[in-house]
Amino acid sequence: KQEVTQIPAALSVPEGENLVLNCSFTDSAIYNLQWFRQDPGKGLTSLLLIQSSQREQTSGRLNASLDKSSGRSTLYIAASQPGDSATYLCAVGARGGADGLTFGKGTHLIIQP
Amino acid sequence: GVSQDPRHKITKRGQNVTFRCDPISEHNRLYWYRQTLGQGPEFLIYFQGTGAADDSGLPKDRFFAVRPEGSVSTLKIQRTEQGDSAMYLCASSWKRGGNNEQFFGPGTRLTVL
Repeated sequence: KQEVTQIPAALSVPEGENLVLNCSFTDSAIYNLQWFRQDPGKGLTSLLLIQSSQREQTSGRLNASLDKSSGRSTLYIAASQPGDSATYLCAVGARGGADGLTFGKGTHLIIQP
Repeated sequence: GVSQDPRHKITKRGQNVTFRCDPISEHNRLYWYRQTLGQGPEFLIYFQGTGAADDSGLPKDRFFAVRPEGSVSTLKIQRTEQGDSAMYLCASSWKRGGNNEQFFGPGTRLTVL
């Protein structure tokens, strides 16, 4: 059974810092990996998707990398802003994308103004 | 985007509740997840077209989900219990020729008293 772990569980940094969120998964036979953002009491917003054949994806100040063989992904946020404060969730999809996603518990991020 | 109705539902233990999800119009796949406080979403069921392709996460005795015309889906919980209190999230995706990126709705917050 796939298990996804996110470290750290919570992070508080001053505005402007670059930061890295970590995600690890136990079964390397994944189809894709998605990073989401969730604001309190809200649904999930898709940030980046990496296919299993890819090594990284970039969108604006966000960069996500994937090392499938070691079961790791990182989300890099450059020049953090208070508006980046949210919970960030990592999720893996398996079996040709047919299954539902398996999620980690998330990293609760606070950017101090 | 994906829409869900209602956004909030408060009910008494033992009552039945029904939630609706309206996916992105061209998406052929629809997913239901459940999220409790401090946890990542947990997969319940996924539809491809009108049929449930994987219902491995759906509690079998009181939870029922349908998608009769291949678009809107409803999730029904019978004889609700306090442990059913959670955020119920719906997502949709388009797999054919795509990467199966899942897009989530705002969720329905269920509180069982």
